[in-house]
Amino acid sequence: GENVEQHPSTLSVQEGDSAVIKCTYSDSASNYFPWYKQELGKGPQLIIDIRSNVGEKKDQRIAVTLNKTAKHFSLHITETQPEDSAVYFCAVAYGGSQGNLIFGKGTKLSVKP
Amino acid sequence: DAGVTQSPTHLIKTRGQQVTLRCSPKSGHDTVSWYQQALGQGPQFIFQYYEEEERQRGNFPDRFSGHQFPNYSSELNVNALLLGDSALYLCAVGGSNTGELFFGEGSRLTVL
Repeated sequence: GENVEQHPSTLSVQEGDSAVIKCTYSDSASNYFPWYKQELGKGPQLIIDIRSNVGEKKDQRIAVTLNKTAKHFSLHITETQPEDSAVYFCAVAYGGSQGNLIFGKGTKLSVKP
Repeated sequence: DAGVTQSPTHLIKTRGQQVTLRCSPKSGHDTVSWYQQALGQGPQFIFQYYEEEERQRGNFPDRFSGHQFPNYSSELNVNALLLGDSALYLCAVGGSNTGELFFGEGSRLTVL
């Protein structure tokens, strides 16, 4: 089955710096890659996603890049702010079903003012 | 706005008991998926319902069962609770034609 690895597990940056979180996956047939942000005591919130026919997608300070050949994708957050502090999860749709997501173990991002 | 309401938000049960968790999607969301999130881990897929039928199932025992109603709302039932079932149970909704999955705030289950 699909396996998703996420690095780093924790990341601390200064406000205004950039943050990068990377994920690798194993199933070359996977074609949908969302990223979620989870704040303490809340459910995961979809922040950006990318499909396999696109190499990069950007939404304001957040961008995602996908390398299908190497089977990895990354989340980039620029000009980080304290409110970006949360746990971030990458995910991969298993078997092409976007209701069945395989999640990474998460990255705890801390943005220091 | 997550587009989905879950209840209850918190509950405590003892080993061997049974629990029912509920999920109510807002209009337009006809597909419901359930996930289990243990502390410090990513969510794990339990199963997905569409048109009142279980369409896919993850690696969870038969103690975990579900139901979807004609108004698209759903229930997750867990029988013979174990200590290891303590987790945040998340309901996720998404239109079958869009693909994006939106999560509720979850039901935190503690098994003593």
